[in-house]
Amino acid sequence: DIQMTQSPSSVSASVGDTVTITCRASQDISKWLVWYQQKPVKAPKLLIYTSSTLQTGVPSRFSGGGSGTEFTLTISSLQPEDFATYYCQQANSFPYTFGQGTKVEI
Amino acid sequence: EVHLLESGGGLVQPGGSLRLSCEASGFTFITSAMIWVRQAPGKGLEWVSAISHSGGSTYSADSVRGRFTISRDNSKNTLYLQMNNLRAEDTAVYYCAKDLRQYDSGGIFDSWGQGTLVTVSS
Repeated sequence: DIQMTQSPSSVSASVGDTVTITCRASQDISKWLVWYQQKPVKAPKLLIYTSSTLQTGVPSRFSGGGSGTEFTLTISSLQPEDFATYYCQQANSFPYTFGQGTKVEI
Repeated sequence: EVHLLESGGGLVQPGGSLRLSCEASGFTFITSAMIWVRQAPGKGLEWVSAISHSGGSTYSADSVRGRFTISRDNSKNTLYLQMNNLRAEDTAVYYCAKDLRQYDSGGIFDSWGQGTLVTVSS
């Protein structure tokens, strides 16, 4: 199975800050990396897929990049509604696997 | 608008069974691959199972293979997860989700239900 490792596990930030989350895969997954946002007691929401493609309706302050084994999610000019937990997930092969999550908090 | 509504969760004893359902609307269910993902209390996300648009192909995580069965009824726009021989570690919120890719799973989940809680305890 492909292991996904996110860092940091949590980050403290303020409104207006830029936050970058890193996700590493245990083997080459090309561009097959997905990012989700999850707020408490809510279902995950798709943000970015194929490493850098923004899902329809997601604000442009979210951006993704990387390929192979190292990927990043950047949130520019953090807004109050962005405080949440973010998960990466590899879509390269079964079983699909998620990172452990990164909590973005004030 | 895509809408996914899970049901069937509840409290069950270890070794027991439950069947989860996910009613879909707002998209063409018959051409959509679907999946189940779970989240134990306070923990991260775990992919459980996937099914192709026709039901002809299914995939499951090692942790549930042989105990859980994913299926679908395209005439009812409904996805199912039959869960047998449940264990305490299966306690989680179970989400159904739609795959962005048509026909077979591509691993990108663009719409999610609100989840249903399964608690396995004596």
